[in-house]
Amino acid sequence: NAGVTQTPKFRVLKTGQSMTLLCAQDMNHEYMYWYRQDPGMGLRLIHYSVGEGTTAKGEVPDGYNVSRLKKQNFLLGLESAAPSQTSVYFCASRLRGYNEQFFGPGTRLTVL
Amino acid sequence: GQQLNQSPQSMFIQEGEDVSMNCTSSSIFNTWLWYKQDPGEGPVLLIALYKAGELTSNGRLTAQFGITRKDSFLNISASIPSDVGIYFCAGQVYSGGSNYKLTFGKGTLLTVNP
Repeated sequence: NAGVTQTPKFRVLKTGQSMTLLCAQDMNHEYMYWYRQDPGMGLRLIHYSVGEGTTAKGEVPDGYNVSRLKKQNFLLGLESAAPSQTSVYFCASRLRGYNEQFFGPGTRLTVL
Repeated sequence: GQQLNQSPQSMFIQEGEDVSMNCTSSSIFNTWLWYKQDPGEGPVLLIALYKAGELTSNGRLTAQFGITRKDSFLNISASIPSDVGIYFCAGQVYSGGSNYKLTFGKGTLLTVNP
């Protein structure tokens, strides 16, 4: 039981490049979330999903897209990366009816 | 939107000392959660609080759900070096259907000097 995993762990992009971050969970959780963490800002919700095939915007969705084609996977895409998207990205998942969100280990992204 | 004010931003203490941190808000929350983030890792849930006035312990950690439902406190007794990390509070409200909105504080960075 691996819990929540994220790939890649680190990535450096140039401005304008695109990439996809992958989150996978093997706990059969319905809910999945993408957060970004910046110094002094805490965790801010980018997008979330309440089930396969559904997504919704969070607090800071601009510049990101997501997809939830399979229940166990939640993808975060950056179509045209900007330096302001330099951050640590965390994925989390939650079982319906329970409060606890389980977090992945994070992806550190640098946009030059 | 809802905001949480978490204090202090950072603490530097000696091993064995007790630690207190808190979160306050102008909004009411249904649930308060406290997470710890170790360096290079994702946050892990420490304590969840569900009722106003509730006092819950988890080993050396004790947390309370404020009676006004607008604040919460976390205490760590007899700190040890492995307590080092960032502690986040999070307030949760019901947002319709089976959805809940979770708002995080900005974190308290704890450093423990052996």
